[in-house]
Amino acid sequence: TQLLEQSPQFLSIQEGENLTVYCNSSSVFSSLQWYRQEPGEGPVLLVTVVTGGEVKKLKRLTFQFGDARKDSSLHITAAQPGDTGLYLCAGARAGGTSYGKLTFGQGTILTVHP
Amino acid sequence: KAGVTQTPRYLIKTRGQQVTLSCSPISGHRSVSWYQQTPGQGLQFLFEYFSETQRNKGNFPGRFSGRQFSNSRSEMNVSTLELGDSALYLCASSTGGPSGNTIYFGEGSWLTVV
Repeated sequence: TQLLEQSPQFLSIQEGENLTVYCNSSSVFSSLQWYRQEPGEGPVLLVTVVTGGEVKKLKRLTFQFGDARKDSSLHITAAQPGDTGLYLCAGARAGGTSYGKLTFGQGTILTVHP
Repeated sequence: KAGVTQTPRYLIKTRGQQVTLSCSPISGHRSVSWYQQTPGQGLQFLFEYFSETQRNKGNFPGRFSGRQFSNSRSEMNVSTLELGDSALYLCASSTGGPSGNTIYFGEGSWLTVV
């Protein structure tokens, strides 16, 4: 059972376009993190969102955590070729002691063409 | 501040052998988690150690084991290697506390089983 549904799985766009990646679940998360991963490397943390309804901005990237802490989105404005990579959402389940255990979405492979 | 360090970065083993991977967490972090990443299954949680105790365990066979030392460094071991164990093994560290706990990944150890 995939607890975090991430969509779309593949995204191929032209430089300058905007895009949104979604992460949805029926489970509540105490926090949700977005990572970007390059081939052969480990995931690099982009942002952690904790509070329901929270919005965080990182240059051209905007992250939102749903009010009920069950979903999140990543919006990129004016995408650039340097944004190309695998984007992963990952949630820490609420309750218990699962603080170090993340559930990952399937990932979104983004390709931005010059 | 040094990041999460994993060794070795690349290794090739033969079916039936065993392998030990090492992870040094970020200074001050007491939680170390291990993940397996494959093209077909994505990122899957193996186990988490906190203060030398296994706190969470994923759905992997008993051939996969780990431990954590008093300095928070961790090792994971895979015995009786199978071809399907070929993957990128990622270590992650965090403070291990509740809500807002941010998890950082190392660059991973690439294991190829032949």
